[in-house]
Amino acid sequence: GNSVTQMEGPVTLSEEAFLTINCTYTATGYPSLFWYVQYPGEGLQLLLKATKADDKGSNKGFEATYRKETTSFHLEKGSVQVSDSAVYFCALHYNQGGKLIFGQGTELSVKP
Amino acid sequence: NAGVTQTPKFQVLKTGQSMTLQCAQDMNHNSMYWYRQDPGMGLRLIYYSASEGTTDKGEVPNGYNVSRLNKREFSLRLESAAPSQTSVYFCASSETGQSRGEQFFGPGTRLTVL
Repeated sequence: GNSVTQMEGPVTLSEEAFLTINCTYTATGYPSLFWYVQYPGEGLQLLLKATKADDKGSNKGFEATYRKETTSFHLEKGSVQVSDSAVYFCALHYNQGGKLIFGQGTELSVKP
Repeated sequence: NAGVTQTPKFQVLKTGQSMTLQCAQDMNHNSMYWYRQDPGMGLRLIYYSASEGTTDKGEVPNGYNVSRLNKREFSLRLESAAPSQTSVYFCASSETGQSRGEQFFGPGTRLTVL
């Protein structure tokens, strides 16, 4: 079946460090891929998306590239801030099925 | 625009009690969803409603019922709460078609069943 696997957390970084959160997926066909972010005590909000192979999604300094050959959608940011501390969820979506399938989430903690 | 609102924010129940979680959206979205979030398990879909008047089971529907009251409102009911239903519940909404992966989430309801 379709599934999403993320690197386990928590990930702890110092401010201005480089961030990578790995995400791989198992799916038939061509899903759309998403990163959602959940700040403490809040609901999820869409961070970025990519709808086809080789697309790069970007927002707020975060980037992720849809790699069909490696079935991956890794999240990166060149210089993290304390305000980036949150839980990050990778997800896939099929237009026909209409459901989002989430990874288990990766908690990021950024220290000053 | 309030987006997606949920009530209550917190609730404590005893085993066997019933309750209804309320959700409303003001974005004129056709599709609405209920998820539960448990540590280390991401979000799991309980029920969804692709459009007003329709509801479908998700991944973990047992022990829950839903009502799509109108286009704005989608409620989740626990008829006889169990400790295994202790979780954080999120409601979400989206457009139909290709945009359904872009979902807008409410702030959540933290439910404890003793």
